[in-house]
Amino acid sequence: EDQVTQSPEALRLQEGESSSLNCSYTVSGLRGLFWYRQDPGKGPEFLFTLYSAGEEKEKERLKATLTKKESFLHITAPKPEDSATYLCAVQAEGYQKVTFGTGTKLQVIP
Amino acid sequence: GAGVSQSPRYKVAKRGQDVALRCDPISGHVSLFWYQQALGQGPEFLTYFQNEAQLDKSGLPSDRFFAERPEGSVSTLKIQRTQQEDSAVYLCASSYGLAELGYFGPGTRLTVT
Repeated sequence: EDQVTQSPEALRLQEGESSSLNCSYTVSGLRGLFWYRQDPGKGPEFLFTLYSAGEEKEKERLKATLTKKESFLHITAPKPEDSATYLCAVQAEGYQKVTFGTGTKLQVIP
Repeated sequence: GAGVSQSPRYKVAKRGQDVALRCDPISGHVSLFWYQQALGQGPEFLTYFQNEAQLDKSGLPSDRFFAERPEGSVSTLKIQRTQQEDSAVYLCASSYGLAELGYFGPGTRLTVT
């Protein structure tokens, strides 16, 4: 069964203090790994899809990387508006189901 | 509309009542997913539609849960004889691509009292 483990559960950063969120996964043949951002009371907002080890994608202050066992979401010089819960999810080849982790709650302090 | 919409946004049901939750996907989107999200948890897969065909319903927790998408657009998630453990946010997501998760709606928060 596909498994996704995210760490840390919560992270508090000062504005401008760069850090990384971790997503460890096990899946029988990766079709895609996804990163979403979720604000309180809202649905998840799509950030990135990564398909193969070594792939990297960037969007503003966020950069996602992928290895065969884990993915990292690097946040460079975060701002208070980056505060949210970040969700990682995986989808196995040949399957429709996407399995989510429990998320990392990020708080960026001004 | 510009995005996925869900209605109602909030629903309070007494234990034992039946509820119906609606998802309006982005026009033309082939794939549609339903997820359940408990407080403080990640979304849990319920079911997947490709157009009107329900290709995977392995995540539906019991036979009290039923989903349909009869014309390949709007989808309804029905929960019969609601229980307190059904209290959660129900999320819908749709996309053009086959089995791609895509864009989520705002969710319906169901509270069973």
